[in-house]
This record gives sequence, structure tokens and C-alpha cells, in this order.
Amino acid sequence: EPEVTQTPSHQVTQMGQEVILRCVPISNHLYFYWYRQILGQKVEFLVSFYNNEISEKSEIFDDQFSVERPDGSNFTLKIRSTKLEDSAMYFCASSEGPGRDETQYFGPGTRLLVL
Amino acid sequence: QKEVEQNSGPLSVPEGAIASLNCTYSDRGSQSFFWYRQYSGKSPELIMSIYSNGDKEDGRFTAQLNKASQYVSLLIRDSQPSDSATYLCAVNMKWYGGSQGNLIFGKGTKLSVKP
Repeated sequence: EPEVTQTPSHQVTQMGQEVILRCVPISNHLYFYWYRQILGQKVEFLVSFYNNEISEKSEIFDDQFSVERPDGSNFTLKIRSTKLEDSAMYFCASSEGPGRDETQYFGPGTRLLVL
Repeated sequence: QKEVEQNSGPLSVPEGAIASLNCTYSDRGSQSFFWYRQYSGKSPELIMSIYSNGDKEDGRFTAQLNKASQYVSLLIRDSQPSDSATYLCAVNMKWYGGSQGNLIFGKGTKLSVKP
């Protein structure tokens, strides 16, 4: 069964460093998303991406964040200068295109720890 | 502010009993509703989606939607210890322009099924 994959599974970084989280969405899906979950809190939407551009972003997704689809399979989230409060589980998700199944399928997540 | 509310629990039921999980949402225009299961430290895993008023059954799971009351529920019949997890209610808040929208999650209800 097709699934979303994410790398790395864990990332430890120093405050102020840049991190790139990688995702491979399900191959025939056209919408891609990033969510995060701070320990003990709810899953929060960050950004959605369609047709090589951002569709929607939340207040969390400020100038420190960016997304990119560098090739036909990968979808990345970059945090330019990490802060302690960026420590969280980051989930990538994907769904089919317009007028089709809206279900979002989640990857296993990347646990980011900022020291 | 668009909100999804759930009782955080824990909800404890004996093995073989019916577990009933509830969720309310604030945006009357919401069209798509999802239940995800999340084991500790893992990513959300889709249990069911529901789009129309009424009941939708899938094996031991039944989702119920009442758009007039802005209420969605999940019933788990013949609960098993392996069902012990946090159940997340998610609502798709679409916006104009044809995008598939992002998910707004509740905080989740922790279910414990006792053998």
C-alpha cells in the first residue's frame, strides 16, 4: 500500500541552525501538507502546497519557514534559524487532487529537538 | 477562530464494550470530517472519513455526523486493548478557490481499553 515517507526520523540541532525535513508524498497525490505537534499538544497545520506553490499557510508558518518541491518526488520543509520552541514532531501529509478524495495521509513524522 | 473540541479523557472502557467518542466544531461551513487514531509517539492514522449527515459504518467503527448540531462522533464496538490510543477528530476547513483545505484537529480523546 502506498505511504508517505519522511526523513530523518529524528533530528537534533542547535538553536539558530538551519534544518531541512524531507518527505516523499504518495506518488499520485497532488496536495502536500506540513503539520506539527508539540509534545502533549494538538496537531497544528503549517502549510499546504499544490501545483508548485503554497495554497495556504497558518500563522505559525512565518518567514523562518519555507517549503519546496525540488524534484518530482520530494517535498521539503526548511526552518532557517531554529528556535527552542520549534521542537516538535513534524508530519508531512498528502492527498489526491481537486474533486477527488480529500483524505490526508500522514507520514511517520520527524521528531525535531532544538537545543 | 475555528475550533474543534473533544473531551481529553481518559475514557476507560472494559474489553468488549462500546467506546463512544465525541467532537464538536465551530465552523458551520465545514464539509469533511475525519477520525484519526494516534498511538503515543506515532503519526495520525486514518480510521474513518464522513461527509454526509447520518451514520457510516466500517467494521467495528461507526462515525456519526450531525451538521445542524455541528457534532461528529465515533463509536467503537467490541473494544479491544489494541484500540487503546488517542483518537483525533479533524475537520477540513475549506476555503474558496477550490483548494482541498487544511485540517483543524481537536486535542484528542485518550481511550484506554482494559482487558
